[in-house]
Amino acid sequence: EPEVTQTPSHQVTQMGQEVILRCVPISNHLYFYWYRQILGQKVEFLVSFYNNEISEKSEIFDDQFSVERPDGSNFTLKIRSTKLEDSAMYFCASSEFSARNSPLHFGNGTRLTVT
Amino acid sequence: GDSVTQMEGPVTLSEEAFLTINCTYTATGYPSLFWYVQYPGEGLQLLLKATKADDKGSNKGFEATYRKETTSFHLEKGSVQVSDSAVYFCALAGGTSYGKLTFGQGTILTVHP
Repeated sequence: EPEVTQTPSHQVTQMGQEVILRCVPISNHLYFYWYRQILGQKVEFLVSFYNNEISEKSEIFDDQFSVERPDGSNFTLKIRSTKLEDSAMYFCASSEFSARNSPLHFGNGTRLTVT
Repeated sequence: GDSVTQMEGPVTLSEEAFLTINCTYTATGYPSLFWYVQYPGEGLQLLLKATKADDKGSNKGFEATYRKETTSFHLEKGSVQVSDSAVYFCALAGGTSYGKLTFGQGTILTVHP
């Protein structure tokens, strides 16, 4: 069964550094998402992406964050200047249709640790 | 905005016990409702879903019924196994936003032999 893959599985970075988290969504899916989960807390929506543009973003997704689909297969999340509070598990997801109409398929996540 | 509230956890059960995890939601319109499961070290996997009132979603012995009158989508299983130990998330999509899932806070389930 096709799956969403994320790399790296664990990223350690120093405060103020830039990080790029990478995702390869399922190939025939058109909608892409980033979520994060701070340890022991709920899964929070960051951003959704469709037709090469952001379709929705949360208050968390401020100017430090950006997303890109640089080619036909990858979907990336960039954090320009990391803060301690950015430490979390970041999940990429994709869906064939909108979230209302088709289930999201999640990757196994990238654990980001900011020191 | 949309929100999902799950029962407080963690939940600890013995094998073959009956499981209920409560979930209620607040949303405008007619959202779709989902249960996702997260096993240790893995991402979230869809467990079951329901797209309209009175629909029952089911998978792997788990069931949940979309109750619009009580705005609930409680997860049940008649006889849990040790392998069901995981974190369970209730979620909705399509209330104020068609474009994202809104999750509850998750319920940790531990099943002992």
